[in-house]
Amino acid sequence: AAGVIQSPRHLIKEKRETATLKCYPIPRHDTVYWYQQGPGQDPQFLISFYEKMQSDKGSIPDRFSAQQFSDYHSELNMSSLELGDSALYFCASSLSPGGTNEQFFGPGTRLTVL
Amino acid sequence: QKEVEQDPGPLSVPEGAIVSLNCTYSNSAFQYFMWYRQYSRKGPELLMYTYSSGNKEDGRFTAQVDKSSKYISLFIRDSQPSDSATYLCAINAGGTSYGKLTFGQGTILTVHP
Repeated sequence: AAGVIQSPRHLIKEKRETATLKCYPIPRHDTVYWYQQGPGQDPQFLISFYEKMQSDKGSIPDRFSAQQFSDYHSELNMSSLELGDSALYFCASSLSPGGTNEQFFGPGTRLTVL
Repeated sequence: QKEVEQDPGPLSVPEGAIVSLNCTYSNSAFQYFMWYRQYSRKGPELLMYTYSSGNKEDGRFTAQVDKSSKYISLFIRDSQPSDSATYLCAINAGGTSYGKLTFGQGTILTVHP
């Protein structure tokens, strides 16, 4: 079965650079979520989109932005990168938000900021 | 205090043992409860999903929810070395929360042969 695809899988950036992470949800899933997982930490919700509109926002820094496109893929844009942004970034998708949504996670993008 | 509390362990058991993993939560609005398994450097894998008090069984896994106590559990029977991973409970308020999951800290489980 098709799963959530994330690219790139690994990314190394310098401080103050920008990064773009991409997420391709499971076919027919219309909702995308972004989570950040620091070393030894649980995933923290960043932001979500339903039908290309932002549906919820968590602890996402103002330096980060995201959007969902007409084909339902999503991109997380990160600017002015800081050392503390080094983490695993997961995308999850579900069929419709809220309610009985089961979220399926991608393999993650490991971002290292030097 | 975190909304979802989970004992991080680590938990080490012999192969074949019954494993019990637990989480407590504070927000009575939470309605949907999930357990994820995460291998090192991999994405969380959905194991169990439930939304009512009681038990739900799937193979060697049983999820238990007690909403009156705000307590959820995952039991693993006949544990195998391949079960060694971090287990995360995740909770969703449902309704207008638009699906945001709140995770516990994760319990590191090692099943040794």
